[in-house]
Amino acid sequence: AQSVTQLGSHVSVSEGALVLLRCNYSSSVPPYLFWYVQYPNQGLQLLLKYTSAATLVKGINGFEAEFKKSETSFHLTKPSAHMSDAAEYFCAVMTINDYKLSFGAGTTVTVRA
Amino acid sequence: EAQVTQNPRYLITVTGKKLTVTCSQNMNHEYMSWYRQDPGLGLRQIYYSMNVEVTDKGDVPEGYKVSRKEKRNFPLILESPSPNQTSLYFCASSSAGRNTEAFFGQGTRLTVV
Repeated sequence: AQSVTQLGSHVSVSEGALVLLRCNYSSSVPPYLFWYVQYPNQGLQLLLKYTSAATLVKGINGFEAEFKKSETSFHLTKPSAHMSDAAEYFCAVMTINDYKLSFGAGTTVTVRA
Repeated sequence: EAQVTQNPRYLITVTGKKLTVTCSQNMNHEYMSWYRQDPGLGLRQIYYSMNVEVTDKGDVPEGYKVSRKEKRNFPLILESPSPNQTSLYFCASSSAGRNTEAFFGQGTRLTVV
């Protein structure tokens, strides 16, 4: 069984500041890990994924995440926030035997001008 | 264009009136899933299918049915909807293998009164 914990349901950052969204997972087998973004009234869009290749993963819109096995973490960062980054972000873990995705509760990001 | 198409986008219905939400994908993916999204809970899997005629329960299957008679279609059926099924529903599809990722539909906002 796997589970995902996202620390902080809401994060507020100033435009130009670092964005850091935390994600910890538990899984009985090595997982695949994903970050998705959801803009208002839209579906989920893949930001980036880790599927057992490089541990530092770069995604779209300047986001990146680092897989740390020893910490069971997959935190998402962006060096400089933009107003367009305001959205809800979901971390998810997939077990490769059944391709089931388990999601965290989500983190809503607001960006202050 | 690769996509997952859900219909309808919005639906208001009354308790007990059977309804079906359709989902179709054009990527020849083996895996399809249904999720519901509720505030503070993230996305929870309702049912999934690993191929034609193969379906299984997810984390919150009560009150739902699915079928997978063709590879591209995976309808979600609510035989007797109740108000606690008011939610935002997403269909997703994904391929097998290391390059996997889940593609999501635009969502169906269901209100049961």
